[in-house]
Order: sequence, then structure tokens, then C-alpha cells
Amino acid sequence: KQEVTQIPAALSVPEGENLVLNCSFTDSAIYNLQWFRQDPGKGLTSLLLIQSSQREQTSGRLNASLDKSSGRSTLYIAASQPGDSATYLCAVQGNDMRFGAGTRLTVKP
Amino acid sequence: EPEVTQTPSHQVTQMGQEVILRCVPISNHLYFYWYRQILGQKVEFLVSFYNNEISEKSEIFDDQFSVERPDGSNFTLKIRSTKLEDSAMYFCASGPGRMNTEAFFGQGTRLTVV
Repeated sequence: KQEVTQIPAALSVPEGENLVLNCSFTDSAIYNLQWFRQDPGKGLTSLLLIQSSQREQTSGRLNASLDKSSGRSTLYIAASQPGDSATYLCAVQGNDMRFGAGTRLTVKP
Repeated sequence: EPEVTQTPSHQVTQMGQEVILRCVPISNHLYFYWYRQILGQKVEFLVSFYNNEISEKSEIFDDQFSVERPDGSNFTLKIRSTKLEDSAMYFCASGPGRMNTEAFFGQGTRLTVV
């Protein structure tokens, strides 16, 4: 059974810092991995999708990498801003989509 | 920009009552999903739906749950006899394909069973 783990569970940084969020999964037989943002009490906003054959994807200040063989993905956020404060979820797509518990990010002005 | 819409945003129901949560997926998408998130816990897969039938379901999706696409636009989740532990945020999602495509989520329906 696929297990998805995200570390750290929470992270607080000053504005402007570059940061890395980690995601690991136990079963490498995945079709893709998706990173989401969730604001408190809100829905899930898709940030990046990495196909299983890809190594990374970039969107603006966000860069996500995927190492399928080792079961790891990272989300790199450059020059963090207070508006980046949210919970970041990774999800792996096999026969169904399995989510990690998320990393709660706080960027302080 | 097309989006998945869910109604209502918040529903309060008494234990034992039936509820129907509604979703309008993105119009050209073919795959539809329901997920739930109990407060403070992970987002959990419930069911996927394609070509008017369930394609996958989790162990959570037992006989009290059902899904339907009653017309060309709506996708519904019915909980027949709600329990306190059904209180959660329920998310609908859709995608143009299944395995290799991005899933787009709605804003969720917060279900509170009292």
C-alpha cells in the first residue's frame, strides 16, 4: 500500500529565504506526482504536475523534482513571500491518488 | 479559467439523515473523483468515476456511499445515513484523462454531522 510522507510537518522562515519541502513515497510504481497548495479551510490548488518519466517541472518561483527510483520529490520555493504561507501537499497517482499530510509553511514578513 | 465547482460550501445535517453533495466538473473532463479530508488529517481518496461507472474505490467508500452523474454536467456523492464520523471536507476533482493528467479540485463542501 502506497504511503506518502512529507517532512517537515511545519516550517517557519523569514521572507526572502529559499526553501525546500520534501515528499517521499514507498511504491515507485506511480504515474505522476502532483504538488498542491491548501489555504486554511479552502480547496486544493494544483501547483505542479510531474509525470513519472520526468525529472522536474518549474513554474515561476517553484521547482519540483522527482526521483522515482528512490521514491522522493522536492518542492523548491525561491525567494519566499508572506503570500506563500499555506499548507503544501504532495500526492502520488497510482490506481488512486495518495496524499501526504502536508507541510504547513509560514513566511514571516 | 474553467474550474470545478461544488455546492453547497457548507452543509449541516443530523445524524442518520441522507445528504447529497454536488459537483460540476470541468466540462471536457472525463474522469471524476471524490476525496475527503477529516479535520487535521490527510486528504483521502474515496472513489473515481469514468464512463458512467465507478472505476476505483477505497475501503472508506462502503455501502452508505454512492455516486451518480445524473446529467451531462453534475456529479454527486450521496451519503445515505450520515454518522458523526462522516464530518469532513469533501472535495470533488476532475481530469481530462486518468493516469497521466493533472487533477483539478473544487473548493470543497464542509459537511458537519450533528
